[in-house]
Amino acid sequence: NAGVMQNPRHLVRRRGQEARLRCSPMKGHSHVYWYRQLPEEGLKFMVYLQKENIIDESGMPKERFSAEFPKEGPSILRIQQVVRGDSAAYFCASSRDRPVEAFFGQGTRLTVV
Amino acid sequence: KNEVEQSPQNLTAQEGEFITINCSYSVGISALHWLQQHPGGGIVSLFMLSSGKKKHGRLIATINIQEKHSSLHITASHPRDSAVYICAVPLNYGGSQGNLIFGKGTKLSVKP
Repeated sequence: NAGVMQNPRHLVRRRGQEARLRCSPMKGHSHVYWYRQLPEEGLKFMVYLQKENIIDESGMPKERFSAEFPKEGPSILRIQQVVRGDSAAYFCASSRDRPVEAFFGQGTRLTVV
Repeated sequence: KNEVEQSPQNLTAQEGEFITINCSYSVGISALHWLQQHPGGGIVSLFMLSSGKKKHGRLIATINIQEKHSSLHITASHPRDSAVYICAVPLNYGGSQGNLIFGKGTKLSVKP
C-alpha cells in the first residue's frame, strides 16, 4: 500500500506564474489535509477536503489559493500568480476516518524566483 | 483557540541517553499528535493519543488530559533519532480534526 504521494517534490516558478501541487492520498483514504511550512516557521493548517467537498478552508489565504479533491484523481492545491512569499514546503496528509490518524506525504518544496 | 508550547527548542544528547520532550496546550482536546520531521523534510506521524500512554519501539508518548500536557520519550537514543519532533492539537475542541495547530518543534541531535 503506497503512502501519500505528493508531486512534484520540488517546484520552481517565476513570480506571476501558477503553481499546481498534487496529492494522492493513501488507498481507501477519503480525507485530505494541506499544510504549509514557511522557512524557519512551524507548520500551519490550510484546508481540509473530502471527496468533492471543502470541509474547512479557514487556513487558506483569501486570494490566489484554491484547493480541490475531485471524485477521481489527486487533490490539487493551486496557487495563482505566485509571489516570493509563497516559497515554502507544502505538505498534505490523508486519513481514512475522523479523528485524524493522518499519514503525511513527503511535501512539495515551492521556490518562487 | 488552542495554543501549543513545546520544550526544549533544541536538545543535544549522547547516544544511549533517555530523552524527554514536552508539549503543553491551552484548550481541551480530543487527541494530540506527535510528528517527526527528518532533515530531508519528510514528516512521519508517530502517535495520536487521547489518554494514557502509547509505546512504539523505543518511543513512548504520554498524555495528561487534566494537566493539558504530553511528553514524548525516547529510550536508548540513537543518532538516527536526530530529527525535529513536533506536537500538534486541534485548533478548537470539537472543530475540524484536520485543523491542527502545531508546536514550533524540538530539534533533537543525538551524538554517537
